[in-house]
Amino acid sequence: SAVISQKPSRDICQRGTSLTIQCQVDSQVTMMFWYRQQPGQSLTLIATANQGSEATYESGFVIDKFPISRPNLTFSTLTVSNMSPEDSSIYLCSVRDRSNTGELFFGEGSRLTVL
Amino acid sequence: KQEVTQIPAALSVPEGENLVLNCSFTDSAIYNLQWFRQDPGKGLTSLLLIQSSQREQTSGRLNASLDKSSGRSTLYIAASQPGDSATYLCAVTYGNNRLAFGKGNQVVVIP
Repeated sequence: SAVISQKPSRDICQRGTSLTIQCQVDSQVTMMFWYRQQPGQSLTLIATANQGSEATYESGFVIDKFPISRPNLTFSTLTVSNMSPEDSSIYLCSVRDRSNTGELFFGEGSRLTVL
Repeated sequence: KQEVTQIPAALSVPEGENLVLNCSFTDSAIYNLQWFRQDPGKGLTSLLLIQSSQREQTSGRLNASLDKSSGRSTLYIAASQPGDSATYLCAVTYGNNRLAFGKGNQVVVIP
């Protein structure tokens, strides 16, 4: 299994500002995944963060809006830039188990409200 | 494209009743299916993982079955308790390690 810590757990932000979410894993992992969950919706993958290379973004998500850092094998950050109320969501960090099971583990989530 | 549907979207049951939650997926070529629990405003907690070669998995009061050919999984929670109130999500891994989530079954267990 993997234990994932996310900070902040929640925040209220003003329109036009940016916020950085941190994700710390208790073991080294190759890939870390960032998801968004809008109110009443399921999870949508934003990007995959690989250590030592640029993140891979899904369709509809761009680096300028959601810059990601991956400085080592246990840590990543996601920044939500120039926020608008439409960015109000839960943002989740996730990793796959290092064994061959492929089990997915999530952090506690960061609940952002943009006013 | 893989689509995951969960029915019912919401349900309420009296304490002690068994819960039956359904998940269906459109493409049967999956690697695994995973059930999660999500409390309001929180992250996801992994409950059960079923590999594509397996028929079911059990953990305590939870049992999940998988019928890959018909594209269905069912999560059974025996003798429900108020603490089981949460949203339950299923997700399938397919293709090039892609993941598709359902919207969840929102469960309320009434004391």
